[in-house]
Amino acid sequence: DVKVTQSSRYLVKRTGEKVFLECVQDMDHENMFWYRQDPGLGLRLIYFSYDVKMKEKGDIPEGYSVSREKKERFSLILESASTNQTSMYLCASVGGHLPENQPQHFGDGTRLSIL
Amino acid sequence: AQKITQTQPGMFVQEKEAVTLDCTYDTSDPSYGLFWYKQPSSGEMIFLIYQGSYDQQNATEGRYSLNFQKARKSANLVISASQLGDSAMYFCAMRPPGYSSASKIIFGSGTRLSIRP
Repeated sequence: DVKVTQSSRYLVKRTGEKVFLECVQDMDHENMFWYRQDPGLGLRLIYFSYDVKMKEKGDIPEGYSVSREKKERFSLILESASTNQTSMYLCASVGGHLPENQPQHFGDGTRLSIL
Repeated sequence: AQKITQTQPGMFVQEKEAVTLDCTYDTSDPSYGLFWYKQPSSGEMIFLIYQGSYDQQNATEGRYSLNFQKARKSANLVISASQLGDSAMYFCAMRPPGYSSASKIIFGSGTRLSIRP
């Protein structure tokens, strides 16, 4: 079974702090994603990566950056946390170049609160 | 632009009844894939079922089936004989073409299903 592990289930940080959310997958997947989930809005894509050191902006990249130094690890960085970044953050991965029917595999999520 | 619409924010269903969760999508591309995910209160996203736009038959996985009506651009999830453990958020999602190398998918806003004993 694919395992996607997010480093924290719950996290509380203060406004202005630099926050790191870590995600590790154990299936050698090329593609990794960071989403945020807010009530009534579903999941919105922040950033994704299709290879080591490669990254592309999703729909809501402002205020975030990412790092992918190793294939199995994809980090989301909040450069200067703000209260409007309080949310549920989900990491996902999927393998292959044409995984038409392959679902993305998700971690358990990190509930981040910015005070 | 591609879009997924789930018009039911919440639903209550009696245990053992069948339930249909609505999903409509908007795309001008002929090739796409449709997914349903379940998210229990614990937070993890669980993949349920997939339907490709060129698939001739509706997808089925155990108690889950997908009522795919391509002309109407709808992909409703049907859960037969609902159980208490089916209480969760359900998300419809679409993988449009053109992003195959990175497999981006677009999610709807979700439907919260509650099963009454």
